[in-house]
Amino acid sequence: GDSVTQMEGPVTLSEEAFLTINCTYTATGYPSLFWYVQYPGEGLQLLLKATKADDKGSNKGFEATYRKETTSFHLEKGSVQVSDSAVYFCALGSAGNMLTFGGGTRLMVKP
Amino acid sequence: GAVVSQHPSWVICKSGTSVKIECRSLDFQATTMFWYRQFPKQSLMLMATSNEGSKATYEQGVEKDKFLINHASLTLSTLTVTSAHPEDSSFYICSARWGQETQYFGPGTRLLVL
Repeated sequence: GDSVTQMEGPVTLSEEAFLTINCTYTATGYPSLFWYVQYPGEGLQLLLKATKADDKGSNKGFEATYRKETTSFHLEKGSVQVSDSAVYFCALGSAGNMLTFGGGTRLMVKP
Repeated sequence: GAVVSQHPSWVICKSGTSVKIECRSLDFQATTMFWYRQFPKQSLMLMATSNEGSKATYEQGVEKDKFLINHASLTLSTLTVTSAHPEDSSFYICSARWGQETQYFGPGTRLLVL
């Protein structure tokens, strides 16, 4: 079945550092890929998405490229801020857009 | 973007009572709503999928008589935790979508059963 694997956290960075959160997936067919962010005590917010190979999703300085050859969708940001501290979930959308989530990666950004 | 609300945002109840959680799509009609459960520091686990006007489809291991789902209209779904017990304490999150479009998530409801 479909699955998503994320790097385990927590990831602790200083403000303005470069961020990479790895995400790889296993799926049949041609899934869509998503990154969601969850701030403390809140639900999930869609951060970005890509619907086909080589698509790049971007939002709020975050980027991720759908790499079919490596089955990856790594999240990157060039300069993180304290306000980016949250839990990030990589997700795969299969037929019918049913979502399969990775385990989540907690990011902590220190001033 | 699309807005999904949940009510209440948190609830504390005694063991044995039932709790109803509402999920509403505020600015779009949701043909499908999903209910997830999230334990502390863990990912979301899909509990059930509900389509407006149809019975919900439950994931394996989720008791349908324990977690009653009603998708009464294109903007409202409810999850009722019946005869709640402490092990039902969790963070419950709904999401909604129109057709095959992106799912939009509610802010979550934290349930604590004493």
